[in-house]
Amino acid sequence: DGGITQSPKYLFRKEGQNVTLSCEQNLNHDAMYWYRQDPGQGLRLIYYSQIVNDFQKGDIAEGYSVSREKKESFPLTVTSAQKNPTAFYLCASSIRDRGNEQYFGPGTRLTVT
Amino acid sequence: AQKVTQAQTEISVVEKEDVTLDCVYETRDTTYYLFWYKQPPSGELVFLIRRNSFDEQNEISGRYSWNFQKSTSSFNFTITASQVVDSAVYFCALSEGWDSGGYQKVTFGIGTKLQVIP
Repeated sequence: DGGITQSPKYLFRKEGQNVTLSCEQNLNHDAMYWYRQDPGQGLRLIYYSQIVNDFQKGDIAEGYSVSREKKESFPLTVTSAQKNPTAFYLCASSIRDRGNEQYFGPGTRLTVT
Repeated sequence: AQKVTQAQTEISVVEKEDVTLDCVYETRDTTYYLFWYKQPPSGELVFLIRRNSFDEQNEISGRYSWNFQKSTSSFNFTITASQVVDSAVYFCALSEGWDSGGYQKVTFGIGTKLQVIP
């Protein structure tokens, strides 16, 4: 079955530690995205990548980093510079010819204490 | 101003009632796309429908229907004979514009939480 996987589902870290969230897709989509979801704020775009080895900052990129070494993978690192990292993180992918219709993974809930 | 406004933060209905979720959008583009997504308690957003700006036909899929009206910049979603399994957060989204890389920015509304009471 084609889809997007994110692991782990729940992640706990101590403040000051970097943490990497995994996102893999086997839909053969060119574009991939990372969103952050906080209560009452909808989804906010962190980073996106249209092709391998290229990515762009979204609306709230500060404190985050990404890489796109393979078409299937788009890991997100939450660095210690992110002031409020506790949130629900969603990865998505899309193909261009459908108005950027996106398909989402199950999400990772990160808690930093 | 918000580009996608979902004014209803939370709605509760009794099972079998009909319910309409409102979505109002704002864009200067003539070509754009609108979406609805469902987010059940498990967290994953599930794609429900895509509509482009040139297609104002209403859409019906089972108990779901969508009313797209460009004159009022609205793309409302109606669930007929609601069921407990419809309980979720529903997001409306707008895709517009193209950057140099061909990326169309997607803006999500803040979502409407629907609770269907048995």
